[in-house]
Amino acid sequence: GAVVSQHPSRVICKSGTSVKIECRSLDFQATTMFWYRQFPKQSLMLMATSNEGSKATYEQGVEKDKFLINHASLTLSTLTVTSAHPEDSSFYICSATPRYGYTFGSGTRLTVV
Amino acid sequence: AQSVAQPEDQVNVAEGNPLTVKCTYSVSGNPYLFWYVQYPNRGLQFLLKYITGDNLVKGSYGFEAEFNKSQTSFHLKKPSALVSDSALYFCAVALGGSNFGNEKLTFGTGTRLTIIP
Repeated sequence: GAVVSQHPSRVICKSGTSVKIECRSLDFQATTMFWYRQFPKQSLMLMATSNEGSKATYEQGVEKDKFLINHASLTLSTLTVTSAHPEDSSFYICSATPRYGYTFGSGTRLTVV
Repeated sequence: AQSVAQPEDQVNVAEGNPLTVKCTYSVSGNPYLFWYVQYPNRGLQFLLKYITGDNLVKGSYGFEAEFNKSQTSFHLKKPSALVSDSALYFCAVALGGSNFGNEKLTFGTGTRLTIIP
C-alpha cells in the first residue's frame, strides 16, 4: 500500500535554531501534500497545503515566514520551522493522497528548549 | 466550510461489549468520510473510508461504519471490543469530487476510547 515516510520522528533543538522535517511518498507521486500540527490531547490542525512546483497555501493564522514549506519534487515536501521557540513545540504530521485516500506520516515530535 | 463533530471526548466500554464512536459532519457537497486511529506519539492509521456505494463500510481490525446521509453521520462501530482497541479515534471529512486529492481533510476533535478488561 501507499506509504508516507516522515523524518525525523523526534527532534530536540535549542531556541532560535531552525529545524527541517521531511515528508516523502515512497511508492506514489504526490503533487499535493498536507502539513498538520497537533497539540497534546487535541485534534490535528491543518497548517498548510504543499503544492509541487508552486507556493504552499497556508491556513489562516499560520505564519508562512516561520513555517517554510518546500515541495521541490513529486515525492518530497519539507517543513522548516525557523527560529524555533518553545511555543513551537508540538507534534507535526504530514499527509499525502494516493488514490481515494489520505496517508499519513508517522509524525515528528519537536521539542524546543 | 466543512466541519466534523465528535460529541464524546471519552468513551469507556467493557471488553467484549459492542462499541460506538459517534461522528457527524457538515460539507457543501458530497462527503468523503474517514476514520483514523492514533496511538501515543504515532501518526494516524487508516481504519476505513466512505467514498460512494454501500452505506455500510467495513474496515480494519473488525471496525465498521455506517454512512447516514439524512442524519449526516458516520458512526464507528465494532461488535466486540478488545483491550487493544484502546486509542484515540478521529473522524474526518473531505469534499468529494474530481478535485479529490487536492482537497483538505478536516478532523473532528477526537474520541479517546478505553476498553476496560
